[in-house]
Amino acid sequence: DAKTTQPPSMDCAEGRAANLPCNHSTISGNEYVYWYRQIHSQGPQYIIHGLKNNETNEMASLIITEDRKSSTLILPHATLRDTAVYYCIVIKAGTASKLTFGTGTRLQVTL
Amino acid sequence: DAMVIQNPRYQVTQFGKPVTLSCSQTLNHNVMYWYQQKSSQAPKLLFHYYDKDFNNEADTPDNFQSRRPNTSFCFLDIRSPGLGDAAMYLCATSRERGGVGTDTQYFGPGTRLTVL
Repeated sequence: DAKTTQPPSMDCAEGRAANLPCNHSTISGNEYVYWYRQIHSQGPQYIIHGLKNNETNEMASLIITEDRKSSTLILPHATLRDTAVYYCIVIKAGTASKLTFGTGTRLQVTL
Repeated sequence: DAMVIQNPRYQVTQFGKPVTLSCSQTLNHNVMYWYQQKSSQAPKLLFHYYDKDFNNEADTPDNFQSRRPNTSFCFLDIRSPGLGDAAMYLCATSRERGGVGTDTQYFGPGTRLTVL
């Protein structure tokens, strides 16, 4: 599976949009981009996934560049409860569903 | 409603004393996973069950074993815990394996293991 690169930490003011970038320059055509987050002392939580089109659900939006080498997770109105480590993971479709977590981005939402 | 339940949330054991962690799910998912997460590190997959089919990761120590007596329950056995096994142990489930969308994993809250 393709490796990902994320900034180690980011800050965001409450109520503002949080934009979390992820680079996956070696992604191949049948690999999906998944995002999970882990709030302190809890298990990871699925957020969203996509292949090449932008995706939106009740939690977030996922913007994938046309060349698919990078993506951005957008939390439109961040709250204090969104403070967590966010993991961008690339998974090949059809393979065993192994999640290989990288170092992630620690998002701190502040007042 | 809790979907993936882990008991206990905190477990203390002694060096070398066998310990069992348990996980149950109300989702009726086919796949159950065990991850180890050490302090300030990302979760690392130890093994998973697809139905009754056990799949071990290549670098999982022999000290770690697992049982899945039925669809709902899965156990993690640590035969002789060492100090280095102190960690958060996370259980997860997915409906299927390898199918986009159906392989979304749902995690329990974890069991924090302390080894004295």
